[in-house]
Amino acid sequence: DTEVTQTPKHLVMGMTNKKSLKCEQHMGHRAMYWYKQKAKKPPELMFVYSYEKLSINESVPSRFSPECPNSSLLNLHLHALQPEDSALYLCASSLGEGVLTQHFGDGTRLSIL
Amino acid sequence: AQSVTQLDSQVPVFEEAPVELRCNYSSSVSVYLFWYVQYPNQGLQLLLKYLSGSTLVKGINGFEAEFNKSQTSFHLRKPSVHISDTAEYFCAVSDDNFNKFYFGSGTKLNVKP
Repeated sequence: DTEVTQTPKHLVMGMTNKKSLKCEQHMGHRAMYWYKQKAKKPPELMFVYSYEKLSINESVPSRFSPECPNSSLLNLHLHALQPEDSALYLCASSLGEGVLTQHFGDGTRLSIL
Repeated sequence: AQSVTQLDSQVPVFEEAPVELRCNYSSSVSVYLFWYVQYPNQGLQLLLKYLSGSTLVKGINGFEAEFNKSQTSFHLRKPSVHISDTAEYFCAVSDDNFNKFYFGSGTKLNVKP
């Protein structure tokens, strides 16, 4: 069982919908990450939060909006997505920013109609 | 700039045979190297990492890797594979701040009975 929990596991949405992905960890980690993974490709970093503040934004389009309401929770708000945004979205956490071992959740598989 | 090359996109092997998954890197600074495994419909799990010290690194599930600076390689090996090792394997190098992983394109290990 993974220690990083992501919900939902699957999400299908239209291009005009607004939805959110949720990630939760209770390991006391202070750094959390969002990755995007297309089929048969490696994960690509999207955002890094450190102590609940946005630390890295890898030039991600504004239709993806991250939020870190507390140290255990990380959300990714989605609005007006495009079909090419269909992918597996992975959340990870680590003890602190710069700590080498990241713990990954099982991901949310997102399909945009 | 840092990058990782995994030359083999797929490696088929019979159960109980040895396997080597190849990884070459390029980096102009000190390197920190990692191998991750991704089982179907799951996130990534750290197998092992090289930070410094002994060039032979042992990881989980019987895997090991050897850092070779002169050949800029970090190949992953296992002396005897199991069906359960069937998965996608990613080699990665981190930046100096360890916030970003530069992943290789992945190698699909397919263990046959």
